[in-house]
Formats: sequence, C-alpha cells, structure tokens
Amino acid sequence: GNSVTQMEGPVTLSEEAFLTINCTYTATGYPSLFWYVQYPGEGLQLLLKATKADDKGSNKGFEATYRKETTSFHLEKGSVQVSDSAVYFCALPAYNQGGKLIFGQGTELSVKP
Amino acid sequence: DTAVSQTPKYLVTQMGNDKSIKCEQNLGHDTMYWYKQDSKKFLKIMFSYNNKELIINETVPNRFSPKSPDKAHLNLHINSLELGDSAVYFCASSQNVGTLGVEQYFGPGTRLTVT
Repeated sequence: GNSVTQMEGPVTLSEEAFLTINCTYTATGYPSLFWYVQYPGEGLQLLLKATKADDKGSNKGFEATYRKETTSFHLEKGSVQVSDSAVYFCALPAYNQGGKLIFGQGTELSVKP
Repeated sequence: DTAVSQTPKYLVTQMGNDKSIKCEQNLGHDTMYWYKQDSKKFLKIMFSYNNKELIINETVPNRFSPKSPDKAHLNLHINSLELGDSAVYFCASSQNVGTLGVEQYFGPGTRLTVT
C-alpha cells in the first residue's frame, strides 16, 4: 500500500536559515502529495500540494516538487522566520481507500531569533 | 465563518465515563473524517463518512461510535473511557473522496484527557 516516510525532528534553525524537510513516498499510481502544517495548539492546515509528477507546489515561501524518479516531495524554504515554528506533515492518499490520508510522523521545526 | 468547528476544545473526564465530541463543517463538503493524534503527534484516521454513509472504519475499539446526522455533521461518541484514549481528536472534511487524493480541511481539535 501507499506509504510516506518523513525525516525525524526536531529541527532547530536560526532565523533566515534555509530549510529542507525530507519526504519520500511509495505509491500505486500517481496520487496527489500534500504538506500540512500544524501551528502550536491548532489543527492542521494545508500548506501546499502537487497533483502530478514535476508539479511544484508553493505557498508562503515554501516549495515542494513532486519527483517521480526519486519518489520524493521535499519541503524547502529559503529563509525561515520565527513564525514558521510548527510541526510539518507530509501526506498522500491511501490507494483506493475512500479518501483516507496517510501522514508522515511529522517534523517539528523550531526557529530561533 | 469557521470552516470546520469542533466542540468542546478541551475535555477532561474520568475513566469509565461516556463522552461525545461534535463536529460541523460549513464548506458544503460530502465527506468527513475523524483522526486521532497521539502525544508524539502521530496522526491516524479512525472513521470517514461520505454523504452520511460510513466508508472507512479503521481498527478502532467499538467503544468509539461515530454518527452522522447529516452531511454537515459528524459526531464521535466514546463509551467507557480509558487512559489510553487521551489524545487530540481532529475532525476533517473534503469535497469528495477522489482516488488520487483531495485536500482535507481540519478542525481545531479536541484535547481529551482521561484521568
């Protein structure tokens, strides 16, 4: 079945540093891929998505490219801010299981001023 | 203009009690979900309803019973609460199921603490 593996955290960066959070997947077919963000004390919000190979999703300075060759969907941001401190989840749908999303284990990011 | 709302936000109760969590979405979506997030932030789906019909029922103790009175509401009732039920429970909704995946919209969560 479909699965996703995400780099473990926590990740601690200084403000304006470059961020990469790795995500690799295994999937039947070419499902959409998602990054969700969970700010402290809140629910998950969709950060960005990509629906087919070579698509680049972007939002709030974050980017991720759907790479079929490497089965990856790494999240990047060129210059992080303190307000980016949150938990980030990579996700994809389970194959033919009624919309069920499979989430990575989450990567906690802490950005220091 | 909250999209997906849950009540209550916090729920503290004793072992053995029965409690309910309510969820409502005003997005006009057809599908709703319940997820459980444990203390390590791991998220796992519990149930999903599409047009009031149960379509996903993961391996969840039968003390947990979802109910969908209409497309906009999905409630979760938990009987005989146990310590291990302590977690954050998230409701979510999506426009349709889709085999290739559609984004889901999450509520703010209900933090359940069983003492």
